[in-house]
Amino acid sequence: GAVVSQHPSWVICKSGTSVKIECRSLDFQATTMFWYRQFPKQSLMLMATSNEGSKATYEQGVEKDKFLINHASLTLSTLTVTSAHPEDSSFYICSGEREGAGELFFGEGSRLTVL
Amino acid sequence: KQEVTQIPAALSVPEGENLVLNCSFTDSAIYNLQWFRQDPGKGLTSLLLIQSSQREQTSGRLNASLDKSSGRSTLYIAASQPGDSATYLCAVLGNQFYFGTGTSLTVIP
Repeated sequence: GAVVSQHPSWVICKSGTSVKIECRSLDFQATTMFWYRQFPKQSLMLMATSNEGSKATYEQGVEKDKFLINHASLTLSTLTVTSAHPEDSSFYICSGEREGAGELFFGEGSRLTVL
Repeated sequence: KQEVTQIPAALSVPEGENLVLNCSFTDSAIYNLQWFRQDPGKGLTSLLLIQSSQREQTSGRLNASLDKSSGRSTLYIAASQPGDSATYLCAVLGNQFYFGTGTSLTVIP
């Protein structure tokens, strides 16, 4: 299967700081990338969909000014949690849809803890 | 709106048993269905992808079937092993991807 690399795996930050998470498709071009948030023992909650070179589409209830998403190339998307607060602590996962395939490949996830 | 349901939510079986996980969806207009496994604190690993024109896919001890007309898919795991313990999720692709809530599988040695 195709590989999606997500970095960092773990991040601990102080309240008020910003954190950037990277998602890279290593061996395929991802025309569309998705960002999810997952709470303990719950399924994935889609936050936003990003297409290369265009603005991300955010799901209802997700603050676009707080969760900045950039999809600058066909292999890289970034999620920046701005002015993070303890309630932003969560597990964030990205996925890429291989161009034209309709198949999803996921990163390993990033555990964010805001103190 | 598409709704994807997975039953049971949790399942425990002794090692060596064959088992079936279920996934149902309300809108049969899908492009494909994908099964994933998720280990605790990890991302999702793709197991099998079934295109809408296909009825089943096999990979090793895993076999996934798809019945679009009835809105159902099953994931069959043969000769289960403790290493199969994980949460299994199905996802359907319609106008977007829709995920089920998962089945947490525990295989007891």
